Amino acid sequence: DAGVTQSPTHLIKTRGQQVTLRCSPKSGHDTVSWYQQALGQGPQFIFQYYEEEERQRGNFPDRFSGHQFPNYSSELNVNALLLGDSALYLCASKGNSYGYTFGSGTRLTVV
Amino acid sequence: AQSVTQLGSHVSVSEGALVLLRCNYSSSVPPYLFWYVQYPNQGLQLLLKYTSAATLVKGINGFEAEFKKSETSFHLTKPSAHMRDAAEYFCAVSDRGNAGNMLTFGGGTRLMVKP
Repeated sequence: DAGVTQSPTHLIKTRGQQVTLRCSPKSGHDTVSWYQQALGQGPQFIFQYYEEEERQRGNFPDRFSGHQFPNYSSELNVNALLLGDSALYLCASKGNSYGYTFGSGTRLTVV
Repeated sequence: AQSVTQLGSHVSVSEGALVLLRCNYSSSVPPYLFWYVQYPNQGLQLLLKYTSAATLVKGINGFEAEFKKSETSFHLTKPSAHMRDAAEYFCAVSDRGNAGNMLTFGGGTRLMVKP
């Protein structure tokens, strides 16, 4: 049973560019959340998607947007990249029972 | 707003010694509480969670944590450290309401195990 799958694993972008990160949730899970983990820090909640709608959002600017597809997979988009957006981006999914399953993350480096 | 404090960004123990990682939370009502472990270049793995009346929670890899409401704490322990326990550990909370159950994480504690 595959867990949460994220792609790509690593990415290098230039300031001002746009990036799209992808996440496939664990089988049977319908809720997807995204977290940003800067180096040496704990993950910070970006937003959560359920039934293809953003249900909750953390303290992140509008440059961060997302989408959830009918198959429950999700994308995280970041526009106008800043150096400070360099981080590990984690996707987490959950189903009916409580508890999130995390993916291995996408390491984004902005140069 | 909820917050989580992990005392000690780095903890070093000898192999076979007791592991104690501290976590205190701030919340108006007792939240759900979690401990996650992160190995280098990997995502987060759930060690254990507190979501019910049982205050002593047993998790994977021999870890356990005790919820103490009076102290607003949820410290993680393991009787005997092993080299493979060396990793980053995160305490997290979420509210018990139906607000999406977002997780709020502490800053993490890096556990080092000396041979």
